[in-house]
Amino acid sequence: GAGVSQSPSNKVTEKGKDVELRCDPISGHTALYWYRQRLGQGLEFLIYFQGNSAPDKSGLPSDRFSAERTGESVSTLTIQRTQQEDSAVYLCASSTGNYEKLFFGSGTQLSVL
Amino acid sequence: GNSVTQMEGPVTLSEEAFLTINCTYTATGYPSLFWYVQYPGEGLQLLLKATKADDKGSNKGFEATYRKETTSFHLEKGSVQVSDSAVYFCALSETSYDKVIFGPGTSLSVIP
Repeated sequence: GAGVSQSPSNKVTEKGKDVELRCDPISGHTALYWYRQRLGQGLEFLIYFQGNSAPDKSGLPSDRFSAERTGESVSTLTIQRTQQEDSAVYLCASSTGNYEKLFFGSGTQLSVL
Repeated sequence: GNSVTQMEGPVTLSEEAFLTINCTYTATGYPSLFWYVQYPGEGLQLLLKATKADDKGSNKGFEATYRKETTSFHLEKGSVQVSDSAVYFCALSETSYDKVIFGPGTSLSVIP
């Protein structure tokens, strides 16, 4: 595709359930980022990948959050035992690196009831 | 660690007014600096960037100059339009292939 694709666009889940969010970056982009944006708030860094490895996982809020990337392409962000405070828009972005701009997806709106 | 601070919003201006949104950063080394914009109902997109001290980034009438001595990257526009209403995010990247950290964002509303 031409841009960064995220799925699903909306996810409503019950507290305690696990959810999996998917990101398809732009082909050839080696860097991939996950951010969380709560309503009316800024972007909270979660994790980034360089290729398939994650040099910086410092932003993951708790051990309920994990992410992986395979084939230097698709990435999944998994949230286990969701809590209401996990409700937010989860944004994915990709880049060629080397100070170039990030291309953002449209995000996944997660609502935990 | 690295961090980005922006002026508190929301900012409300009349059309054709001068705009300044302050941004300061804390970083080791020599970061690249960015301004991203999020228009209502749209995704974030890059507005401008600067990669070294004294560089000026510019786009769509917006400008920002990388000031190493004051660790700042303030966004300016001489005459804002209603269509500039959006949330503006200052960001930095410490090195190539490093994470990009965003400030909290500043909401701008321009009224006719």
